[in-house]
Amino acid sequence: DTAVSQTPKYLVTQMGNDKSIKCEQNLGHDTMYWYKQDSKKFLKIMFSYNNKELIINETVPNRFSPKSPDKAHLNLHINSLELGDSAVYFCASSLPGLARSQYFGPGTRLLVL
Amino acid sequence: GESVGLHLPTLSVQEGDNSIINCAYSNSASDYFIWYKQESGKGPQFIIDIRSNMDKRQGQRVTVLLNKTVKHLSLQIAATQPGDSAVYFCAERGYTGRRALTFGSGTRLQVQP
Repeated sequence: DTAVSQTPKYLVTQMGNDKSIKCEQNLGHDTMYWYKQDSKKFLKIMFSYNNKELIINETVPNRFSPKSPDKAHLNLHINSLELGDSAVYFCASSLPGLARSQYFGPGTRLLVL
Repeated sequence: GESVGLHLPTLSVQEGDNSIINCAYSNSASDYFIWYKQESGKGPQFIIDIRSNMDKRQGQRVTVLLNKTVKHLSLQIAATQPGDSAVYFCAERGYTGRRALTFGSGTRLQVQP
């Protein structure tokens, strides 16, 4: 059984489009995250939700909007995609509270043309 | 700002040798560290963690050493195997209310048969 799953795995789209990435975890965790990994493999946190409440919002353009319908899901919607948005986006989850070991999904490879 | 970094971007070792991957951190208030392994096309996978009140922690074939005096973290892999080939990241409990992890830039480990 997949602990943290993301869809789609690959996403190729044109500049200016709007797209969404979905994430689901079946670990019973309360906290979920979105990370962006650039071409140099640098991982940077974007957002974190705890039990559907936004607790971390790093310096991310407001074209990116996370949505958590329930504590098992954290989706990422991106408006007006730009070339620089091309990256691998990882969802992760963990137990709540202070940061601790996080379980990552397989990633969504986004390519903006 | 605070940062976590790695000394060597790529480490090449022979199968069966021991590997040492290093990480320097700058936040002296960091109290928790994690090593992750990321194989090609996959999300980061938890390897081992250590709290700041410890100097050493051992797992299966892996050992993490923490030197708080010089703010240095290392991951030792014994009897390196081809399956150990991956990018390794260190992460520290971050600054954002300590709810986030700050990741280093990664070291690629290549195991030569």
